[in-house]
Amino acid sequence: GEDVEQSLFLSVREGDSSVINCTYTDSSSTYLYWYKQEPGAGLQLLTYIFSNMDMKQDQRLTVLLNKKDKHLSLRIADTQTGDSAIYFCAESFTDKLIFGTGTRLQVFP
Amino acid sequence: DTAVSQTPKYLVTQMGNDKSIKCEQNLGHDTMYWYKQDSKKFLKIMFSYNNKELIINETVPNRFSPKSPDKAHLNLHINSLELGDSAVYFCASSQGGGTGYTFGSGTRLTVV
Repeated sequence: GEDVEQSLFLSVREGDSSVINCTYTDSSSTYLYWYKQEPGAGLQLLTYIFSNMDMKQDQRLTVLLNKKDKHLSLRIADTQTGDSAIYFCAESFTDKLIFGTGTRLQVFP
Repeated sequence: DTAVSQTPKYLVTQMGNDKSIKCEQNLGHDTMYWYKQDSKKFLKIMFSYNNKELIINETVPNRFSPKSPDKAHLNLHINSLELGDSAVYFCASSQGGGTGYTFGSGTRLTVV
């Protein structure tokens, strides 16, 4: 099936870490992605992880993948006001991306 | 600039009209897509073309007709526009192999 779920909202204080969670259903997905969408803008690829990896770190971003539980998370260290946006996880599924419902991250001072 | 570009950025039109959205990519990718983002921000694939051939058509009304004159272009034509067609439409391209998709900046369609 094609179902990718995320919590809708997350609010954090500037300087704290943010953790955005995602659950997916298709265990055959080869890659999983995180995209960022700022207000009125398109989708920006933040990072992706290959399905045989457990973790990937890229500067302030850490992606964790638990294949057994089909759970993906994105941790943003030292969250800044510029990180306020909607974050989408996505799984690759037969030549297309299936997007999660999106998590709106709000960062307050 | 290497990118996926869509035009127009905004489109306001009356019910019943026919309109087109254009998309071009200069990344040399083989596959192009149209996605629809509704008012709740849900993103859903509509169409996918690989080297000018339709490979995905996701139960989209046949008022929507994609056209790919070459692998760098994928246009979307919509006939008899309805209020429910109001959304942001994103074009994207990919080369496959897990490199991710590159998205255009979107076309906000408002049907009144």
